[in-house]
Amino acid sequence: QVQLQQSGPGLLKSSETLSLTCTVSGNAISSGYYWAWIRQPPGKGLEWIGSVYHSGHTYYNPSLKSRVSISVDKSKSQFSLKLSSVTAADTAVYYCAGEATAAYYYMDVWGKGTTVTVSS
Amino acid sequence: DIQMTQSPSSLSASVGDRVTISCRASQTISYYLNWYRQKPGKAPELLIYAASTLQSGVPSRFSGSGSGTEFTLTITSLQPEDFATYYCQQGYITPRTFGQGTRVELK
Repeated sequence: QVQLQQSGPGLLKSSETLSLTCTVSGNAISSGYYWAWIRQPPGKGLEWIGSVYHSGHTYYNPSLKSRVSISVDKSKSQFSLKLSSVTAADTAVYYCAGEATAAYYYMDVWGKGTTVTVSS
Repeated sequence: DIQMTQSPSSLSASVGDRVTISCRASQTISYYLNWYRQKPGKAPELLIYAASTLQSGVPSRFSGSGSGTEFTLTITSLQPEDFATYYCQQGYITPRTFGQGTRVELK
């Protein structure tokens, strides 16, 4: 069973770049998943940030596209999120997830989440 | 972007109750609709995908129905661990979008 382990700093200052990594267990990085990032501001709902396939093909949320980069490193079984020029509005719990890509698309494996706080 | 709208935003129920949550998409998404449960302080967990397919390991008290733009999640005989927030999500196109959530609280 695929498992995801998140890592990265939890405290940033305004204008810095957020960098998070998600390690995929069991050599599953090249399996039939899109690897995604989702965030959840305190007390609010879920927002899809974007996703990457093992080929490197990416999809981004247009609302964040100018500041987001998602990449994959198959040699390390990792995929990463970078979000530039952060502000307090980027304070959230950030989740990595695997989106199955069979006949339908659904996120059936999730990391535990990383709380990211942006201070001024 | 496809907007997902859930109703109600919150509800109060008792253990053993039957609960129904609705989700409406702003355009047709066929059967590309998923349901998640999120317990406080935890990551979401997949309950239902493709509108009505129960994820492996999920109890049979959960069921989903609908197609096109109207979908429903039903929980028969609510259990203590079901007091949580539920989200629908469309997997039809990117950007993926979620409903605003339905909080199920203890009456």
